[in-house]
Amino acid sequence: TQLLEQSPQFLSIQEGENLTVYCNSSSVFSSLQWYRQEPGEGPVLLVTVVTGGEVKKLKRLTFQFGDARKDSSLHITAAQPGDTGLYLCAGANGWQLTFGSGTQLTVLP
Amino acid sequence: DAGITQSPRHKVTETGTPVTLRCHQTENHRYMYWYRQDPGHGLRLIHYSYGVKDTDKGEVSDGYSVSRSKTEDFLLTLESATSSQTSVYFCASNPGTSPGELFFGEGSRLTVL
Repeated sequence: TQLLEQSPQFLSIQEGENLTVYCNSSSVFSSLQWYRQEPGEGPVLLVTVVTGGEVKKLKRLTFQFGDARKDSSLHITAAQPGDTGLYLCAGANGWQLTFGSGTQLTVLP
Repeated sequence: DAGITQSPRHKVTETGTPVTLRCHQTENHRYMYWYRQDPGHGLRLIHYSYGVKDTDKGEVSDGYSVSRSKTEDFLLTLESATSSQTSVYFCASNPGTSPGELFFGEGSRLTVL
């Protein structure tokens, strides 16, 4: 079983602060995804990274895929209360997707 | 939205009873998945399907079976529910263009007493 470890598990910050969430594995994935989940809903895909070293930006969110394609990070600049949610990384192996345990982010106004 | 609906959304049942959760998608997606979500474990894959009548086991398949007789429907059955199967169950579909692009339903909360 391929495992994805996310850190931190919980993160509570003030509005306007920056933060980084990490996703690490001992396995290589063909691609890595970041999802965001709000209470009572299913996860929603934010981004897919495929190439080692790849960096993608989505407004205030920056996603990076490690050179060895085993780890990834999500950086949020100037966090807002609307960023509150559960952030999940997921690695693809064929057509199966393995999820990390998630980082619960709370942004306080 | 991929038009995925799950039913029932909430169910309370007793240990030993059979339970079937239904997932219906209207996007003609080839791949469909059942995950369970528990605190501290993220989402764990139970079973998935890569076409009509084509299914395979995931990480936590013991105690669960699935069936896919039509492209749009993917059923998850607990033959004899146990308390350890209390969880939130999510169905997802994938059109087959990118392995990581899953579209999720809103979840089914199952409580086994």
